[in-house]
Amino acid sequence: GNSVTQMEGPVTLSEEAFLTINCTYTATGYPSLFWYVQYPGEGLQLLLKATKADDKGSNKGFEATYRKETTSFHLEKGSVQVSDSAVYFCALIDPPSGGSYIPTFGRGTSLIVHP
Amino acid sequence: EPEVTQTPSHQVTQMGQEVILRCVPISNHLYFYWYRQILGQKVEFLVSFYNNEISEKSEIFDDQFSVERPDGSNFTLKIRSTKLEDSAMYFCASILNPGDANTGELFFGEGSRLTVL
Repeated sequence: GNSVTQMEGPVTLSEEAFLTINCTYTATGYPSLFWYVQYPGEGLQLLLKATKADDKGSNKGFEATYRKETTSFHLEKGSVQVSDSAVYFCALIDPPSGGSYIPTFGRGTSLIVHP
Repeated sequence: EPEVTQTPSHQVTQMGQEVILRCVPISNHLYFYWYRQILGQKVEFLVSFYNNEISEKSEIFDDQFSVERPDGSNFTLKIRSTKLEDSAMYFCASILNPGDANTGELFFGEGSRLTVL
C-alpha cells in the first residue's frame, strides 16, 4: 500500500533560519506529491505539489523537489518567518489508473518560529 | 472565499455514547471525505462519499461508523458507540469532482476534536 513518513516535530527555529522538513514515501504506482499546511484554527490547505520526477513545487518561498530515486519530497525554505509557524503535512495520491481518489497523508510536522 | 465548515469544534463524550460530527462542504462540490488524526499519529482516511453513497472506505470505518448527506448541504459522520480509541481530530474535506483529487486541491475544514472519556 501507500504510505508517507515525515520527520517528527516540533521543529523550532529562529526567524530567518533555513528550514528542512523531511518526507519519504512508498507507493504502488507513480504518485503525485503534495505539501499541505495547517495554520492555527484553520483547515489543511495545499501549499505546493509536484506530479513527476525532478519536478520542483514552489509557493510562498517554500520548495520541494520530487526525487524518485530516493522516494523523497523534502520541504525547504531559505528564511522562515514567524508567520510560517504551522503544521506541515506531506501527502501523495496515486494516479487514476490506480483506481483511487484518496490522498495518503503523513503525521504532520509542527513548525515553531521564534522572533 | 468558499470554505468547509465543521461542527462542533470540540466534543467531549462518555464511552458508549453516540456522536455525530457535522460538515458543510463547499456548495458545488460533489465528492467528500472524512479523515481522522489520533494525537501524534498519521492523518488516516476513513471514508469518501459520492453520488449519495460511500465511494471508498478504510478498514477503520467499521460498523460503528456511518455517513450521511441528509439534506444536500450537511455531510455527517456518526459513531454509534464511542470507544476511548475514537478520541481524535476528525477532518472533513471536499472536492468538486473525484478526478480533482489528483490536483491535490482538497478543501478541508478546521477539524472536530473528539474526546472520549
